[in-house]
Amino acid sequence: EVQLVESGGGLVQPGGSLRLSCAASGFTFSTYWMTWVRRAPGKGLEWVANIKRDGNERYYVDSVEGRFTISRDNAKNSLYLQMNSLRAEDTAVYYCVRARDHYYFDYWGQGTLVTVSS
Amino acid sequence: DIQMTQSPSSLSASVGDRVTITCQASQDIRNYLIWYQQIPGKAPNLLIYDASNLETGVPSRFRGSGSGTDFSLTITSLQPEDIATYYCQQYYNFPYNFGQGTKLEI
Repeated sequence: EVQLVESGGGLVQPGGSLRLSCAASGFTFSTYWMTWVRRAPGKGLEWVANIKRDGNERYYVDSVEGRFTISRDNAKNSLYLQMNSLRAEDTAVYYCVRARDHYYFDYWGQGTLVTVSS
Repeated sequence: DIQMTQSPSSLSASVGDRVTITCQASQDIRNYLIWYQQIPGKAPNLLIYDASNLETGVPSRFRGSGSGTDFSLTITSLQPEDIATYYCQQYYNFPYNFGQGTKLEI
């Protein structure tokens, strides 16, 4: 059974940093692109970042480019999102997502809440 | 960036109704479109990919159609468990933008 379990969310002050982790199991992690998607309170889904199977290609939405870094450790079956210079508008539930055939977001974690507030 | 516009933003319907949600892309995305369902309190669920292909395990009452810039998701006979917010998403190029969502109520 495919499982994606996020951790690392919490309350952080504006300008602060947070690192999200996602533990993957039930599939061969190293053969899939992985993704972070977020949903702000009262708003819709927003794609945040993608990372290729070997970690050598990464893509970001403009609003987080230069502040967030997506990474992975295939030996540990883990995906990460390092978030720096956090802003109030980054407040959201962050989902770890498996991307089948690069594009199809077929398995989602339950999400971890990040709240940026003073 | 490609913008995705869904309509309506919310919809109220009855059990057994045929329901259609539309999604318009700001430029031609061929058939690079996905539909997701998000039930309150749960993670999103992939329903339709490549605009019209039903994901394994998804009931056949869900149907996707369209290509180019205009797409639709149809639920042929609405069931109580279909109460959710539905999103379209393009994957023609980055950023993989979602539509703003359509909240479906009974």
